[in-house]
Amino acid sequence: DAKTTQPPSMDCAEGRAANLPCNHSTISGNEYVYWYRQIHSQGPQYIIHGLKNNETNEMASLIITEDRKSSTLILPHATLRDTAVYYCIVRVAGGGSQGNLIFGKGTKLSVKP
Amino acid sequence: DAGVIQSPRHEVTEMGQEVTLRCKPISGHDYLFWYRQTMMRGLELLIYFNNNVPIDDSGMPEDRFSAKMPNASFSTLKIQPSEPRDSAVYFCASSQGSFTGELFFGEGSRLTVL
Repeated sequence: DAKTTQPPSMDCAEGRAANLPCNHSTISGNEYVYWYRQIHSQGPQYIIHGLKNNETNEMASLIITEDRKSSTLILPHATLRDTAVYYCIVRVAGGGSQGNLIFGKGTKLSVKP
Repeated sequence: DAGVIQSPRHEVTEMGQEVTLRCKPISGHDYLFWYRQTMMRGLELLIYFNNNVPIDDSGMPEDRFSAKMPNASFSTLKIQPSEPRDSAVYFCASSQGSFTGELFFGEGSRLTVL
């Protein structure tokens, strides 16, 4: 069972920041927050992950609240190509089945011109 | 660099036929995962391998499904006999070590069982 809650859909204007929220109120101390996205008809694509500090890479920023019960993925300047389903996943680091990625339903982000 | 390569991209078959899906992971990756995606159930993990050894097959729906990894560069997912409810997109993914959780997915194999 997915341990995260995300809104089913969101819209964003092209060129604006897209802020995708995720609730993970039962997250454990050894669980990381991962974000993937799936563009239509393609395989999922890794975006970013973090434990408790904010993280940034060339694709996005990840803001995790101090209590770690929620996080926000930020796409700073959304483009039409960012239209996709975004998945927030909590995962135990390391090997074994506990480290498997369990995908929920995600948020369908529609970037509009 | 070539990513994860899956074949066939599309397969249409009739109920009762054997289906074999193939996957070539990224060179050097030691973990391989098979996922299935349907509208009803979303993305489900079926099985994963580490160093060619199946580690967890608890997601395999039933005995009609089997997966093998004879070497580090090739894996198959077989369904025999196939049923209409097996219609789905099957994704293969690989990763280098499981610690990072960064999986690289293939483009998927879309299976339709009539």
